[in-house]
Amino acid sequence: KAGVTQTPRYLIKTRGQQVTLSCSPISGHRSVSWYQQTPGQGLQFLFEYFSETQRNKGNFPGRFSGRQFSNSRSEMNVSTLELGDSALYLCASSLGSASSYNEQFFGPGTRLTVL
Amino acid sequence: AQSVAQPEDQVNVAEGNPLTVKCTYSVSGNPYLFWYVQYPNRGLQFLLKYITGDNLVKGSYGFEAEFNKSQTSFHLKKPSALVSDSALYFCAVSRSSGGSYIPTFGRGTSLIVHP
Repeated sequence: KAGVTQTPRYLIKTRGQQVTLSCSPISGHRSVSWYQQTPGQGLQFLFEYFSETQRNKGNFPGRFSGRQFSNSRSEMNVSTLELGDSALYLCASSLGSASSYNEQFFGPGTRLTVL
Repeated sequence: AQSVAQPEDQVNVAEGNPLTVKCTYSVSGNPYLFWYVQYPNRGLQFLLKYITGDNLVKGSYGFEAEFNKSQTSFHLKKPSALVSDSALYFCAVSRSSGGSYIPTFGRGTSLIVHP
């Protein structure tokens, strides 16, 4: 089975711009979660989508949004980028809900740099 | 609110020696506990999980973890460390069924295995 794929792998943007990141989960997985990883804050949960519905949301401002399509692929959007948004954004898929006993399978991440 | 603590930012061990990476948790109800490993420039990889039953859980690459309910701990162990085990290790907790609890990750422990 192919693993979780994320595109693009690297992205450089300037403050005020917006960005869209894409994630394709493992075939058959219905849950897609997004995380922000930074050296200072560690791994922070952004949101989870399950069968096209947002199931859980972390403590991030409304500039961070996402969606999931019928084929389980997911996109994450960040509007009005700030310098502090520079991070590795990880996508993870799981067979069932991430807030349960299901292990997650992570993609390689998208490294976002905001200048 | 649930939380995970990894009290050591870094663990150093000589190749061939046993290793332990510590994790304690706080959650209401029965926890689901996970260990993940992250190699440089990669996403996280699932190592093992505890759901219920036997307190000693065996996982990938010779790793195991012991669930201790009274001490609320889930330490990761390996009898004989390899240089290739050097990586960043994350402990995570999720809640048993009921409620919409997001998976919570510790801040990570850098394991360095010296030749």
